[in-house]
Amino acid sequence: EAGVTQFPSHSVIEKGQTVTLRCDPISGHDNLYWYRRVMGKEIKFLLHFVKESKQDESGMPNNRFLAERTGGTYSTLKVQPAELEDSGVYFCASSQQGGPNEKLFFGSGTQLSVL
Amino acid sequence: GDSVTQMEGPVTLSEEAFLTINCTYTATGYPSLFWYVQYPGEGLQLLLKATKADDKGSNKGFEATYRKETTSFHLEKGSVQVSDSAVYFCALPPLRDSNYQLIWGAGTKLIIKP
Repeated sequence: EAGVTQFPSHSVIEKGQTVTLRCDPISGHDNLYWYRRVMGKEIKFLLHFVKESKQDESGMPNNRFLAERTGGTYSTLKVQPAELEDSGVYFCASSQQGGPNEKLFFGSGTQLSVL
Repeated sequence: GDSVTQMEGPVTLSEEAFLTINCTYTATGYPSLFWYVQYPGEGLQLLLKATKADDKGSNKGFEATYRKETTSFHLEKGSVQVSDSAVYFCALPPLRDSNYQLIWGAGTKLIIKP
């Protein structure tokens, strides 16, 4: 069974440019989550999809970030325009159901560097 | 608010050494506690967890005991291997009905030398 895959694994862009990150969850997983780890600090929750709907986007830092999950399959996270402080590792995770006992499966992350 | 504090890394040890990675927390109530691990080039994986005070989580030779009196969940292993080199994260869920809005520690990079 394929795990959660993220693309690209690394992205280097200049300040002001646009970047789109992609996450393919495990097939059949309705729940999809985005997190990021900035500058080696703690991982922060960004948002949660249930199928194509945004269940919780309380962690999105500002309106430069746009997440979509059209069709309830893969998800994209667009940063436009990118700023220096957006550099970090962006993780995606998926689970079959939500709730406290549901195991999360994480992708290996996208390392974003904004110069 | 709830928080997790981990010892800063990197932690560098020789093979077969004893490992301790400290984790302390502040939380309302008594949440579950987790250790996640990220091996090079891979995604985060749940290493072990404990759901109540005095519980001991264990997996792959690693152990951690939920200590309510010291609000700690230190990760230990008696004899580390080169393959244990990874980044380790301590985490807790702030909401009883959620396991995704985890509060994470900053991560501790572990380097094991042969």
